[in-house]
Amino acid sequence: GESVGLHLPTLSVQEGDNSIINCAYSNSASDYFIWYKQESGKGPQFIIDIRSNMDKRQGQRVTVLLNKTVKHLSLQIAATQPGDSAVYFCAALAPNAGGTSYGKLTFGQGTILTVHP
Amino acid sequence: EAGVAQSPRYKIIEKRQSVAFWCNPISGHATLYWYQQILGQGPKLLIQFQNNGVVDDSQLPKDRFSAERLKGVDSTLKIQPAKLEDSAVYLCASSHIGTFLAKNIQYFGAGTRLSVL
Repeated sequence: GESVGLHLPTLSVQEGDNSIINCAYSNSASDYFIWYKQESGKGPQFIIDIRSNMDKRQGQRVTVLLNKTVKHLSLQIAATQPGDSAVYFCAALAPNAGGTSYGKLTFGQGTILTVHP
Repeated sequence: EAGVAQSPRYKIIEKRQSVAFWCNPISGHATLYWYQQILGQGPKLLIQFQNNGVVDDSQLPKDRFSAERLKGVDSTLKIQPAKLEDSAVYLCASSHIGTFLAKNIQYFGAGTRLSVL
């Protein structure tokens, strides 16, 4: 089955530094990937997504890199701010078991990002 | 647009009691998901609805968990009887469409934190 894991469970950075959060996935059928941010007491919030036909996508202060060869993706946050402190999850979309046309999102364990002023 | 609404926010029950959670998805979203998030882990899909039909319930413990989405809008998730290991945050999410080949950005509610004593 699919597993999506993170290399580092915690990351501490200074305000203004760049942050890099890594994620590995196991299902080569995964075609679509999403990064979510989850603050304490809230549900996951969409940050950025990428399809498997791309290797890089940029948003506002965030960049996602995808390496399909080694089944790895990363989230880069530029000029990290205290408001970026949260748990970050990567999630991979793969076909549902049972061969339907629907997709199942599998989440990784999460990385706790702490930004120090 | 209004987000995914969930209630209650918190629930404390004793083991063997029953509990129900309610979710109202984003207007127009055909696909609704229930996830279980145990402390320190990523969300795990319990059940996925497309309109009022079940697409995937392979990870739903059907001996004690049940869910319905009778009119294709609101949904309820029930646990009966609850066990200690059911203590978790139950997240509801919705998306426009749940097919594998489409962009499947899932939007999450704040969740219901369940404590089973």
